Amino acid sequence: RKEVEQDPGPFNVPEGATVAFNCTYSNSASQSFFWYRQDCRKEPKLLMSVYSSGNEDGRFTAQLNRASQYISLLIRDSKLSDSATYLCVVATSGGGADGLTFGKGTHLIIQP
Amino acid sequence: SQTIHQWPATLVQPVGSPLSLECTVEGTSNPNLYWYRQAAGRGLQLLFYSVGIGQISSEVPQNLSASRPQDRQFILSSKKLLLSDSGFYLCAWSVQGDEYFGAGTRLSVL
Repeated sequence: RKEVEQDPGPFNVPEGATVAFNCTYSNSASQSFFWYRQDCRKEPKLLMSVYSSGNEDGRFTAQLNRASQYISLLIRDSKLSDSATYLCVVATSGGGADGLTFGKGTHLIIQP
Repeated sequence: SQTIHQWPATLVQPVGSPLSLECTVEGTSNPNLYWYRQAAGRGLQLLFYSVGIGQISSEVPQNLSASRPQDRQFILSSKKLLLSDSGFYLCAWSVQGDEYFGAGTRLSVL
């Protein structure tokens, strides 16, 4: 059973549209949750942490449903520069000291 | 501000040759350090993590080893590379949760 599952896409979305990604995780002991962004052939970069109460950062909104073990990312008013692979990430320890578990990523393509 | 350096950026090595990848972090003390590998078509996989000098935890059995000779230095090694060791190797650091990655080393074993 995969620990973190994401739809690989690609999601082809017109510029300005709203797009949502979902992710499920299998380890109920997971404590910390993140979305990372990875551009082609580059390292992943932290996009935002995901809190139980949900959180927003500009055009990006992340939500966590612990009961369903489900994480989401919503991007509003999408820009061409949002094209990337979005990685759903969980950690079993609160401080993430023992590393992160990554999904394989969802590929997003924003079209002009 | 904290920075992480990882080198080389690209490496082509023959099967059976040794490997040494180095990662250093600046601007922080006692970070947690990590080595990940991203193979073609697969997700990032944690290989090793370290919470302190000389402390290494391995996540998966493999042909690789790691060492942390100094607080902000993390080294990934192999005595004899296999074809299956090809991939994108990423070093990361964290202090209190969020992890930040180096630029990565793209290793091709031929």
